[in-house]
Amino acid sequence: GAVVSQHPSRVICKSGTSVKIECRSLDFQATTMFWYRQFPKQSLMLMATSNEGSKATYEQGVEKDKFLINHASLTLSTLTVTSAHPEDSSFYICSASERGFYNEQFFGPGTRLTVL
Amino acid sequence: TQLLEQSPQFLSIQEGENLTVYCNSSSVFSSLQWYRQEPGEGPVLLVTVVTGGEVKKLKRLTFQFGDARKDSSLHITAAQPGDTGLYLCAGALTNAGKSTFGDGTTLTVKP
Repeated sequence: GAVVSQHPSRVICKSGTSVKIECRSLDFQATTMFWYRQFPKQSLMLMATSNEGSKATYEQGVEKDKFLINHASLTLSTLTVTSAHPEDSSFYICSASERGFYNEQFFGPGTRLTVL
Repeated sequence: TQLLEQSPQFLSIQEGENLTVYCNSSSVFSSLQWYRQEPGEGPVLLVTVVTGGEVKKLKRLTFQFGDARKDSSLHITAAQPGDTGLYLCAGALTNAGKSTFGDGTTLTVKP
């Protein structure tokens, strides 16, 4: 149980385009979903927290107009990187948690974004 | 200021050796998780500890939560190459709050 999928696994795009990443909880209802960014050989950097049906809460320094997060249902959250630039290239990982389970997070497999 | 200090940052050992990874904080956590991440993949949950002094075992891995719920350790006995990966601890101050991740420990086990 507790499977989270993420799509696409890899994406290469041109500078200035927008990219949407989907995160789905397959066998449980995710009351909260998280979006992280990870640089090589580093830990996870939390970008934003989203609860189903409400606006995402962004961490300090994360541009909400650039990284659009939508959590429309208990099983789906999306992250859209708008007007992507090469500095946005990174490994993006989502996670999902279910209320009442001690903040345990179940992670997707990640999306490698490369902006040319 | 990093809420969770994880040490060591890098560890390279031979197969069969034992090791311990530490996760320390000045804050009291309601729960703490350990995750393992392999390159190019998402982290995988290993264990959750919630009670001060709690010890949990997962095959050759032993997890301990400090009595004051401010620190935790992960001990691996007879490490194997398959244990190689990035180990992350994550603590939550409340049951409904977000978790803070440590900087991670990159473990390499050489055959």
